[in-house]
Amino acid sequence: QQQVKQSPQSLIVQKGGISIINCAYENTAFDYFPWYQQFPGKGPALLIAIRPDVSEKKEGRFTISFNKSAKQFSLHIMDSQPGDSATYFCAASGSGNTPLVFGKGTRLSVIA
Amino acid sequence: SAVISQKPSRDICQRGTSLTIQCQVDSQVTMMFWYRQQPGQSLTLIATANQGSEATYESGFVIDKFPISRPNLTFSTLTVSNMSPEDSSIYLCSVVQGSYGYTFGSGTRLTVV
Repeated sequence: QQQVKQSPQSLIVQKGGISIINCAYENTAFDYFPWYQQFPGKGPALLIAIRPDVSEKKEGRFTISFNKSAKQFSLHIMDSQPGDSATYFCAASGSGNTPLVFGKGTRLSVIA
Repeated sequence: SAVISQKPSRDICQRGTSLTIQCQVDSQVTMMFWYRQQPGQSLTLIATANQGSEATYESGFVIDKFPISRPNLTFSTLTVSNMSPEDSSIYLCSVVQGSYGYTFGSGTRLTVV
């Protein structure tokens, strides 16, 4: 049973456009929702994260929107750049020292 | 946040052999997590390693195939035993530190030939 469902699998966006990746979760005990960026040959790097007490968090061009009632969260990349081309993973975890559960990933290509 | 040193960064191994991957953390952490990332796939949790006790394995992963050691609060090893080409993956360790969140090692890219 997949605990975090991510869509789309792949995404092509024009330079300067908005990239939107969506995730849905099932476990209501999850209380930490990060997004990771991974370039080929590298490990995943934390991009931005949110907890359920807020509905939105913004860091630079990256924004997480969180809908607790719908059990959904999304990543918005504003003014997308070719350097943003990477694979993005959403994840979730519960409280305490519990492991992250990952979505299947979205391969983003930003074209000029 | 914690800094993790993971070794080796990559290796090419013969089938039937074993490889031990090491993760050293620069601070004491309660839990360490080991993940596998198969080519083009997401990260799948192999096991959770708690110092002083046996690791807890996820469904589909067994101790005989992926033995884990956790001798202290800053170090852990994962061994991939009796390797086959299907074990070719990136293996990553991870730790969690309260408000700092989760940190990942740089990964070990394993190719089994």
